[in-house]
Amino acid sequence: KAGVTQTPRYLIKTRGQQVTLSCSPISGHRSVSWYQQTPGQGLQFLFEYFSETQRNKGNFPGRFSGRQFSNSRSEMNVSTLELGDSALYLCASSFGQNSPLHFGNGTRLTVT
Amino acid sequence: EDKVVQSPLSLVVHEGDTVTLNCSYEVTNFRSLLWYKQEKKAPTFLFMLTSSGIEKKSGRLSSILDKKELSSILNITATQTGDSAIYLCAFHPYSGAGSYQLTFGKGTKLSVIP
Repeated sequence: KAGVTQTPRYLIKTRGQQVTLSCSPISGHRSVSWYQQTPGQGLQFLFEYFSETQRNKGNFPGRFSGRQFSNSRSEMNVSTLELGDSALYLCASSFGQNSPLHFGNGTRLTVT
Repeated sequence: EDKVVQSPLSLVVHEGDTVTLNCSYEVTNFRSLLWYKQEKKAPTFLFMLTSSGIEKKSGRLSSILDKKELSSILNITATQTGDSAIYLCAFHPYSGAGSYQLTFGKGTKLSVIP
């Protein structure tokens, strides 16, 4: 069974630009969530989607948004990039509440 | 606010040693506690502990949940260089909205030297 797939693996953007990251969950998983990982803050929850609906959102500004498609694939978007947005963005999927979260390899975003 | 604290932050041991990593939590609506291993990129799932499953074991790794003390430990026996990684502990609460959100600790960086 294929794992969680994220594209692209690396991105370099400049301040003020926007970026879209993509995630394909494990087949059969309908819950998809996104996390930001930085050396200082560790792993922080961004948002979670289930059946194309955002069920929860972390404490991030409105520049961070996402969506989920009918095939459970998800995208997240960051607009007006800031230097502090440089991080590893991890997507994860789960079969259900009593199952573990499985992570993708992440997208390493660098903002210059 | 839910809080997960891991200790130590880093640890250096020799191959063959046994290590114990700690995770304590101050949380509400406990559902489960999860352990992950992160080497380069993706955190990989190790264990999920719940009120009905407070001990888990897989090979040289084992974990115990102490709900009374609000803590968990991850034990690794006969460590190998391949165990070098960051070990993450995460709390998963019950949510009225049914959402799946983990709160992570900062992790313990384990280095195993030959």
